[in-house]
Amino acid sequence: QQKVQQSPESLSVPEGGMASLNCTSSDRNFQYFWWYRQHSGEGPKALMSIFSDGDKKEGRFTAHLNKASLHVSLHIRDSQPSDSALYFCAASLTGNTRKLIFGLGTTLQVQP
Amino acid sequence: EAAVTQSPRNKVAVTGGKVTLSCNQTNNHNNMYWYRQDTGHGLRLIHYSYGAGSTEKGDIPDGYKASRPSQENFSLILELATPSQTSVYFCASGVGLGGAETLYFGSGTRLTVL
Repeated sequence: QQKVQQSPESLSVPEGGMASLNCTSSDRNFQYFWWYRQHSGEGPKALMSIFSDGDKKEGRFTAHLNKASLHVSLHIRDSQPSDSALYFCAASLTGNTRKLIFGLGTTLQVQP
Repeated sequence: EAAVTQSPRNKVAVTGGKVTLSCNQTNNHNNMYWYRQDTGHGLRLIHYSYGAGSTEKGDIPDGYKASRPSQENFSLILELATPSQTSVYFCASGVGLGGAETLYFGSGTRLTVL
């Protein structure tokens, strides 16, 4: 069973709309959470990290973490066509990046 | 911006042949990683390195070897390539501490084993 599960598998939003991506981990030992974004034909790129319960905002992107429910989400405000990409949630245990576990990803399509 | 360069960008190999995928980083990061990306499996860690001369097994090391001859270079070696190793391979370098490490990925190598 995938230890980091993402939903939905794919998502389509209109330009200017809000996109919400979800991630649930099955291991309470995960302490660090990341969102990576991968445009077609490129490697993944770190988007933002969140390590503490609550919200973290960076520009149009807001991540929310609830460790009690093992749930992390990413919200993209004012979505742009350039946001169309594959979004990975990743989680790691304390102190060891080799334990970084990626979800299967959510494909976001922003319609102009 | 951190720079990780992979070569070749595309590779076609025959079953049983030897394949070497190369990765170079100019970021002076100690940690480097090799992942493969497959539909339905996401990104999976093959090998990683904490510095020149060191290599460690990741989650799916079988059929792969790694070499880190210098801080900048990290290679993935398939001694006897099989069709099941057809995939997209990504190299990454990392900066930061433990789980708070940011990974910088290259653009990938698409490998097809016939």
